[in-house]
Parts: sequence; C-alpha cells; structure tokens
Amino acid sequence: ETGVTQTPRHLVMGMTNKKSLKCEQHLGHNAMYWYKQSAKKPLELMFVYNFKEQTENNSVPSRFSPECPNSSHLFLHLHTLQPEDSALYLCASSQQKGDGYTFGSGTRLTVV
Amino acid sequence: QQQVKQSPQSLIVQKGGIPIINCAYENTAFDYFPWYQQFPGKGPALLIAIRPDVSEKKEGRFTISFNKSAKQFSLHIMDSQPGDSATYFCAASRDSDKLIFGTGTRLQVFP
Repeated sequence: ETGVTQTPRHLVMGMTNKKSLKCEQHLGHNAMYWYKQSAKKPLELMFVYNFKEQTENNSVPSRFSPECPNSSHLFLHLHTLQPEDSALYLCASSQQKGDGYTFGSGTRLTVV
Repeated sequence: QQQVKQSPQSLIVQKGGIPIINCAYENTAFDYFPWYQQFPGKGPALLIAIRPDVSEKKEGRFTISFNKSAKQFSLHIMDSQPGDSATYFCAASRDSDKLIFGTGTRLQVFP
C-alpha cells in the first residue's frame, strides 16, 4: 500500500446505475486529485482539491461529481455513465499542489 | 494541447542494457520534472525528480538528464533488470501547480 487507498478496486456498472468511488489518505497531505487513465492516452486530470476546496474542474462532464468532506477523503460519484467512461480512475494526494504525488492503485471501471 | 511530449511509446531492451526515455516540454515556466513508474494493476509511483537548477540527478540505477535550453529531459536506467519492466511517465509543473503528464513509455526488459 502506498498510503493512498482506493475502493473498490474493480467496478462494473450499467449506464443507468449510480455508484461512488472512494479515496482515503492518511499521509497528512493537503491536496487531492482525481485522474482518468485510458489506454494510449496521457493521464487526464479531472479534479483538484486543496484544503478540501475544489480548485480545478478540468471540463469534466456533470455525470462525474466529486466530493471532499475532509482533507483525508475524496469521493467520485458516478451516474448515467457512458461506455467510453470505462477506464482506470486514479486518486492521488500531495503535501501541496505540484509536489510529488502519491497515487492509489486505482479503480478499474467498466461501464456496460 | 499536449504540453509534455514523451517518446518512445514502447521500448524493448535486454537485461543490462540502458533504456533511455525522452520528454520535451513547451512551457519555460515549468520548474519541477518528476518521473513515475507504473506496474500493471498499480498506480504510478514517484521514481525520481529534478528541478532546473541542476543538469543531472542520480538515484541508484536511475538518472535524469536535464537540458534547459533544449527544453528536454530524459530518464536513463543503468544495468536494466527484468523487474524494471513497467510503464514510465514523465511530468512537469510550475509554481506548485498541478502536474502535466506525458503519454507514457512501456518498457520491457528481457533476461
């Protein structure tokens, strides 16, 4: 374990389902991130939270809804997803923005 | 717009070889350049990082070479081992802003 825990590790959901991804870190970091990793594409930044406040939304569709209740927890709520949303969703944290990130192992999402 | 260009997309070397992965960036304000290593089923892990005040940094068998004027930096893996087989990502950021990642290089080291 890297210090950033993501659950579940795998998720299969239908296009009409609602599910949530969870990320937890106890590293004392102040910034948390959601990334999408698809085959043969760069890591795509989705959201940035700094001290629980969302500081960046990288033009992410509204079917993805982040939530950061405190500096240690980050959620990604999913609803009415499309098959092209199938990917590895990675959570990361850092002491402050721009420092070396610590990534979780990701959630492999498949939308059917 | 892709601000960090990484090459090659894939690389195959024999054990003991020295794979080299290259990255080029556009934004001259970038001041932090890390490399990440990702094994299948795992998230990327920070491997080594450099700032533009030095031209080279070594950590074990991993070396970053940095050319500020050419806006390029590269990762060299000395005496590569099969356990180094992974995907490697370069990244860059400025002023403690978010990291911008390259597209990744899949490295295979054969015995």
